[in-house]
Amino acid sequence: GQQVMQIPQYQHVQEGEDFTTYCNSSTTLSNIQWYKQRPGGHPVFLIQLVKSGEVKKQKRLTFQFGEAKKNSSLHITATQTTDVGTYFCAADTGNQFYFGTGTSLTVIP
Amino acid sequence: DSGVTQTPKHLITATGQRVTLRCSPRSGDLSVYWYQQSLDQGLQFLIQYYNGEERAKGNILERFSAQQFPDLHSELNLSSLELGDSALYFCASSGTSTKGETQYFGPGTRLLVL
Repeated sequence: GQQVMQIPQYQHVQEGEDFTTYCNSSTTLSNIQWYKQRPGGHPVFLIQLVKSGEVKKQKRLTFQFGEAKKNSSLHITATQTTDVGTYFCAADTGNQFYFGTGTSLTVIP
Repeated sequence: DSGVTQTPKHLITATGQRVTLRCSPRSGDLSVYWYQQSLDQGLQFLIQYYNGEERAKGNILERFSAQQFPDLHSELNLSSLELGDSALYFCASSGTSTKGETQYFGPGTRLLVL
């Protein structure tokens, strides 16, 4: 069945290093969203990507949607301790909505 | 603060029991979604209601049921509870029935089944 896989599952980085999480779908997506969940908190919406090849930036965060609309990535430049949390992609196939498995980011000061 | 409220915040109960979780969506939002988050399963979509009607169903067990009331608040009923039902249950809301629309999550209800 439809699955949305995210890699890596866990990532530890030194503060100041870059971080990337990837989201892959087995089917073409209508759109994809990214959420961040801080430890002990609830998921918070970050961004939505709709168009093939779309790239959006939010300060140190860069989001990309693949040309085939089957994969997406979130890249954080020069991580800070405030970036700690789990990053989820959420994929809309048009019929179903799936959250990815999440990537848990730890930033070591 | 997302504007979505959930009660109770914590719930401890025994196997075989039944509990009801409550969610109030953001003002003006018509859609309510329920999710289960456990350590080994990630965030699992359970069910969506839109303006009182069931709109989409995910991995919701037959022991679980939900409804959305005329005032748009929603309740998730969990019965014949098992140890494996221990998890964080989130409610989210959005303005329309479109699942791809931004969802605003509540703080969650942490359920512990002993």
